[in-house]
Amino acid sequence: EDKVVQSPLSLVVHEGDTVTLNCSYEVTNFRSLLWYKQEKKAPTFLFMLTSSGIEKKSGRLSSILDKKELFSILNITATQTGDSAVYLCAVLPFGNEKLTFGTGTRLTIIP
Amino acid sequence: SAVISQKPSRDICQRGTSLTIQCQVDSQVTMMFWYRQQPGQSLTLIATANQGSEATYESGFVIDKFPISRPNLTFSTLTVSNMSPEDSSIYLCSVGVADTQYFGPGTRLTVL
Repeated sequence: EDKVVQSPLSLVVHEGDTVTLNCSYEVTNFRSLLWYKQEKKAPTFLFMLTSSGIEKKSGRLSSILDKKELFSILNITATQTGDSAVYLCAVLPFGNEKLTFGTGTRLTIIP
Repeated sequence: SAVISQKPSRDICQRGTSLTIQCQVDSQVTMMFWYRQQPGQSLTLIATANQGSEATYESGFVIDKFPISRPNLTFSTLTVSNMSPEDSSIYLCSVGVADTQYFGPGTRLTVL
């Protein structure tokens, strides 16, 4: 059974701090790893990672995948209050289209 | 990417009634999915909505409780039948595009 574990479960930091969110996984026939930001209802797509060592970057957010050690990290630099959300990691295997989600990391940014 | 809309955005329903949630995509997609997110939990896949055939349900979900329609490649509905307070959740549709899935805005359902 595919499995995704995220850590920490919650994180509270001050505005301007840098945070690193972790995601480890076990999946048969790995296809891609996805990061989402969920503020109210809908998860908003952030990154899709398929290859090890290639950093994806969007503004203050970046992410990288290690397929040997089976984990990914999501970095957010110079955090802002608008970054407060639940960040979800999910893996997608080949052979079916079923995403397996982690439990998420709840990030709170204090002004 | 894909632009997905869902209706209704939220609803409050009485136990024993049913609610149908609609999901519309701005392009034709092969794979559409329905998820549930109970309070404080992560997302759980209910079923894969297949165009032209019955939906494929995950363990713990049955067609009588969650009937799904997929009449074409841009539209699907999920019905939550004979609702109880335990059905209070966010219901999300998603579509598969390349190696990614995109989510609709979600329907927040409260059952009294």
